[in-house]
Amino acid sequence: NAGVTQTPKFQVLKTGQSMTLQCAQDMNHEYMSWYRQDPGMGLRLIHYSVGAGITDQGEVPNGYNVSRSTTEDFPLRLLSAAPSQTSVYFCASSYAGGDTEAFFGQGTRLTVV
Amino acid sequence: SQQGEEDPQALSIQEGENATMNCSYKTSINNLQWYRQNSGRGLVHLILIRSNEREKHSGRLRVTLDTSKKSSSLLITASRAADTASYFCATDAMDTGRRALTFGSGTRLQVQP
Repeated sequence: NAGVTQTPKFQVLKTGQSMTLQCAQDMNHEYMSWYRQDPGMGLRLIHYSVGAGITDQGEVPNGYNVSRSTTEDFPLRLLSAAPSQTSVYFCASSYAGGDTEAFFGQGTRLTVV
Repeated sequence: SQQGEEDPQALSIQEGENATMNCSYKTSINNLQWYRQNSGRGLVHLILIRSNEREKHSGRLRVTLDTSKKSSSLLITASRAADTASYFCATDAMDTGRRALTFGSGTRLQVQP
């Protein structure tokens, strides 16, 4: 049982490049979400999903796209990377959204130069 | 904006002492959760307390919730060097309509051996 797996662990992008951060969970959780963590800011919600085919915006969605074609996977796409998107990104999954504990991946450290 | 705010931002204590961290939030909640993050790692769930509960224990952890004051506290008794980490509160704010957690900015705890 791997839990929540994020890839890659580290990434450096040039401004304007695009990329996809991968997130997969093997716990059959319906709820998945993406957060970014900046120094002194805690975690801020980017996008979340309550099930396959359903996604919604969080607190800071601009510059990011998501899709949820399967229960297991919830990729986060950066369309045109900007230095302001330099951050650590965490994917989380849970059985019932905010009503139950969330399981987090180990994070992706992204630097945009 | 952050739903939860932790206090203090940083705390340094000696091994064996108790550590108390506080969390204040802004709107009505269904539950409040506490998470721990070791440096460079993902978040790990510690405890969940529901809005109709006032106190909950788990091992050396004691969590209280005061919904009238919109605040919670996390007490770690008999702290150990291994408790050194950042601690975050998280809420499922009822006003946002989002089925995802909103995190505070965290308390950095340093336990000196």
